[in-house]
Amino acid sequence: QVQLVESGGGVVQPGESLRLSCVVDGFTVRSFAMYWVRQAPGKGLEWVAVIPYDGRNEYYGDSVKGRFTISRDSSKNILFLQMDSLRSEDTATYYCARSHLALYFDSWGQGTLVTVSS
Amino acid sequence: EIVLTQSPATLSVSPGERATLSCRASESVGVNLAWYQQKPGQAPRLLISGAANRATGIPARFSGSGSGTEFILTISSLQSEDFALYYCQQYKKWPLLSFGPGTKVDIK
Repeated sequence: QVQLVESGGGVVQPGESLRLSCVVDGFTVRSFAMYWVRQAPGKGLEWVAVIPYDGRNEYYGDSVKGRFTISRDSSKNILFLQMDSLRSEDTATYYCARSHLALYFDSWGQGTLVTVSS
Repeated sequence: EIVLTQSPATLSVSPGERATLSCRASESVGVNLAWYQQKPGQAPRLLISGAANRATGIPARFSGSGSGTEFILTISSLQSEDFALYYCQQYKKWPLLSFGPGTKVDIK
């Protein structure tokens, strides 16, 4: 059974850092492109970062480029999102999601809430 | 960047009625379009990929159609569990994926 479980969210001040984790069960993270997708309160969906199945050439949305880093630990089957220099506009629920052929999202975690506020 | 617009923003439908949701792309995406359903407090769930292919376990009352820039999600007979938010997503220009702003289907 495919399961993705995020953790690491919380309340931080602007400029601080946070690392999100997504523990995966039921498949191996190195076999799929894995994404972080976020949703600000009451707003729509925005893809944040992707790590392709081969682990090369991660990509980032323009709003987080240079501040966020996606990575994975294939031995533990965990996906990470390191978020630095956080801003109030980064406040959102962050979902990890498995991507079918790096195209659409066929499995999602339950999300973890990040709040950036002074 | 491919921009997706969805209409209407809110659709009020009675149970048992048909719901028709629209998604329009700013340029052609072929059939590289997916639809998701999201209920309050839950993650999105894949309904349709390839514009018209139902995902595993999705009831037959959900159907997708369209190609190029115009797409439709139809729910043939709304059940109580179908009242939710619906998003379209294009994957023509990987990795520059984009989502539409969503259509809320609520009870009339």
